[in-house]
Amino acid sequence: GNSVTQMEGPVTLSEEAFLTINCTYTATGYPSLFWYVQYPGEGLQLLLKATKADDKGSNKGFEATYRKETTSFHLEKGSVQVSDSAVYFCALSVILTGGGNKLTFGTGTQLKVEL
Amino acid sequence: KAGVTQTPRYLIKTRGQQVTLSCSPISGHRSVSWYQQTPGQGLQFLFEYFSETQRNKGNFPGRFSGRQFSNSRSEMNVSTLELGDSALYLCASSPSGRGHQDTQYFGPGTRLTVL
Repeated sequence: GNSVTQMEGPVTLSEEAFLTINCTYTATGYPSLFWYVQYPGEGLQLLLKATKADDKGSNKGFEATYRKETTSFHLEKGSVQVSDSAVYFCALSVILTGGGNKLTFGTGTQLKVEL
Repeated sequence: KAGVTQTPRYLIKTRGQQVTLSCSPISGHRSVSWYQQTPGQGLQFLFEYFSETQRNKGNFPGRFSGRQFSNSRSEMNVSTLELGDSALYLCASSPSGRGHQDTQYFGPGTRLTVL
């Protein structure tokens, strides 16, 4: 089946530090890959996505590259801010036999950024 | 464009009762998916609707059901509530749900507590 594995949290960083959150996946076929972010008490917000191998998704200073050879989609940011503190979810999307698609999520990684 | 809206935001019910949650998708989006988020199981796919038809269903008991209206608004219903149904229920909409590239946009969720 399809699955997503991401690094355990919480990850605690100082402001302006470099961030990497690892994500690897297992899927049949060729999925699209996503990073979503969840702030306390809120739903999921799309952060970035990539739909095919070697695509790089980027948004708000965050980047992730779809690596088919290593089945990975690691999230990076060069300089984190306190406002980046949240839970980050890696997810893949596959087409279902019914014709729609669904997201399979990792367990989430909590990021805390301190001054 | 307005985002995905969900009502109510919070609900408290007792075991054995039933509950209905509502979701209004982004204007023009025709696919609506529902997910359950719990600390123990993470984010799990419940079902997906398109053109008033349930296209796909996750591994949840028959107590969980849903429907979609002609204006794409969707409701989900949980009957005979159990303590384990306490969760954040997230609704997501996408333009068509076709293809793994179709991005799902999430609402703020409904927090259901079963006492």
